[in-house]
Amino acid sequence: AQKVTQAQTEISVVEKEDVTLDCVYETRDTTYYLFWYKQPPSGELVFLIRRNSFDEQNEISGRYSWNFQKSTSSFNFTITASQVVDSAVYFCALRSNDYKLSFGAGTTVTVRA
Amino acid sequence: DAGITQSPRYKITETGRQVTLMCHQTWSHSYMFWYRQDLGHGLRLIYYSAAADITDKGEVPDGYVVSRSKTENFPLTLESATRSQTSVYFCASSEGLYRGYTFGSGTRLTVV
Repeated sequence: AQKVTQAQTEISVVEKEDVTLDCVYETRDTTYYLFWYKQPPSGELVFLIRRNSFDEQNEISGRYSWNFQKSTSSFNFTITASQVVDSAVYFCALRSNDYKLSFGAGTTVTVRA
Repeated sequence: DAGITQSPRYKITETGRQVTLMCHQTWSHSYMFWYRQDLGHGLRLIYYSAAADITDKGEVPDGYVVSRSKTENFPLTLESATRSQTSVYFCASSEGLYRGYTFGSGTRLTVV
């Protein structure tokens, strides 16, 4: 069985602060993929990033960056210099050797002006 | 327009009624999925399909039925709606096992 845990239910920051979202996962598979999705107040689910299990290189894409550590089964996501438009629910998700995407419960991020 | 569309966007139905949520994708993706989203639970998989005429249960299948006679359509039917099925339902498709999902805009279903 696979499981994704997002321990933070809500995070509130002031604009321009950095926000780091924690994600811990469990899987017995050696090959798997990790994702972050964003759900703004409008309700749609927007794909942000994907990382596979055999590539631990951490990257930065614009204001987004992620830290994947297999040793601790963590896949944390950081928004640098947050903006009001970043206010949303963020989901971490795991997909391994089947078709199913398992989601964490989500972290609600509120960015105040 | 290409993409994945769900209909209706909003639906109110009465307890005990049958209701069908529609999902249509234009990419010919093999895999399609139905999730429900409830506060505190994130998204939970109801049913999925690997190809036309191939479907399987997910985490919370009870009370739901799916079919996939054509690759592009994956309707979800609530056979006898209950209040506990009040939720937001998302359909998704995926090109392959190692690809991400693309989600529809969701259907907000209220059972009264």
